[in-house]
Amino acid sequence: EVQLVQSGAEVKKPGESLKISCKGSGYSFTNYWIAWVRQMPGKGLEWMGIIYPGDSDTRYSPSFQGQVTISADKSISTAYLQWSSLKASDTAMYYCARHYIPTGPFDYWGQGTLVTVSS
Amino acid sequence: EIVLTQSPGTLSLSPGERATLSCRASQSISSSYLAWYQQKPGQAPRLLIYGASSRATGIPDRFSGSGSGTDFTLTISRLEPEDFAVYYCQQYGSSPRTFGQGTKLEIK
Repeated sequence: EVQLVQSGAEVKKPGESLKISCKGSGYSFTNYWIAWVRQMPGKGLEWMGIIYPGDSDTRYSPSFQGQVTISADKSISTAYLQWSSLKASDTAMYYCARHYIPTGPFDYWGQGTLVTVSS
Repeated sequence: EIVLTQSPGTLSLSPGERATLSCRASQSISSSYLAWYQQKPGQAPRLLIYGASSRATGIPDRFSGSGSGTDFTLTISRLEPEDFAVYYCQQYGSSPRTFGQGTKLEIK
């Protein structure tokens, strides 16, 4: 069974760093892209970027370039999304999702990680 | 960046009725790289339709997609109680991948 299991909810203060994770199982992790998607409270879905764990090829949305870092450790089938200095506006639910080719739909999604940034 | 505009913003219908949701793109979407997702409260999105008209695995045949170029439609032939949710279209043919703002399908 294909699963993407994300790390648990986080509560952080502005200026703190954070790294959340997405662990894939039930499929060949290195053969599928992993995307990260933001959903701010009560809002729609925003594509942040993607990574191909096989060779760490990474692409960012211009809206998120320089704001976050996407990485992966194929040895443990895990992708990451990290911030070096959180802002209150980073408060959101973050989803990971997989797709087979760069131009592919997102066929499986993680359960989401809620990040709350508040002083 | 391709902007996707969904309409209506909210659709109020009763179980058993037919739902028609629209997604219009600011420029032509190559090779019909258009998907539809369903999201229920507190849940992750679920893929319904890809390639504009292909149903994802396990999706009931009351869901159908159509369209090409800049105009796409998701149709739910007979609404079941579990179909009331928010629906998003997404283009995945060019970067950045973009989503529409969503259509909320609510019970009338």
